Amino acid sequence: SQQGEEDPQALSIQEGENATMNCSYKTSINNLQWYRQNSGRGLVHLILIRSNEREKHSGRLRVTLDTSKKSSSLLITASRAADTASYFCATDAAYGNNRLAFGKGNQVVVIP
Amino acid sequence: DAGITQSPRHKVTETGTPVTLRCHQTENHRYMYWYRQDPGHGLRLIHYSYGVKDTDKGEVSDGYSVSRSKTEDFLLTLESATSSQTSVYFCAISEPGQGIPEAFFGQGTRLTVV
Repeated sequence: SQQGEEDPQALSIQEGENATMNCSYKTSINNLQWYRQNSGRGLVHLILIRSNEREKHSGRLRVTLDTSKKSSSLLITASRAADTASYFCATDAAYGNNRLAFGKGNQVVVIP
Repeated sequence: DAGITQSPRHKVTETGTPVTLRCHQTENHRYMYWYRQDPGHGLRLIHYSYGVKDTDKGEVSDGYSVSRSKTEDFLLTLESATSSQTSVYFCAISEPGQGIPEAFFGQGTRLTVV
């Protein structure tokens, strides 16, 4: 089955630095989404990029999508302590059953 | 937050007993999902539903069954709980047909099978 796979798994940075996470997937997709999970909570949707888009911005978030390489990256600029969380990518396969497949997640720790 | 609630939030049960987890939504979204989250595995899809009485298996469906008798409720049943089903279970909803492909998640149910 198709799954997103993030890289790296864990990241520790200083407040103000940028954080970059990568995600790869295996099959054609309709869209790719990024979610954040704070400890002990449910996942929260951050941003969606469609298969015909290459880059998207939302506040301090920047997402890129390279469908030829089947990969995506999430950049968080000027990180804050509140950005400490796990980040997951999820793909919606192009074969149309609207099943979201999640990766294993990236743990990001932002040190104040 | 989207109107989605899971119950119970925490449960401890014994091996071999049946367990039912409930997901309730007030958003009238057609799609509902059950995931489990385990360290090192991320989120894995157990079952999902694309309408009342319409359900399908996910990647880790063995040992689980679901029912959706009305739009707002999606039940996950462990027929005979095993220790390997100790996990955090998340329900999610989405409405891709109405331009809402993103999923909204409940707060999770922590299940411990002893």
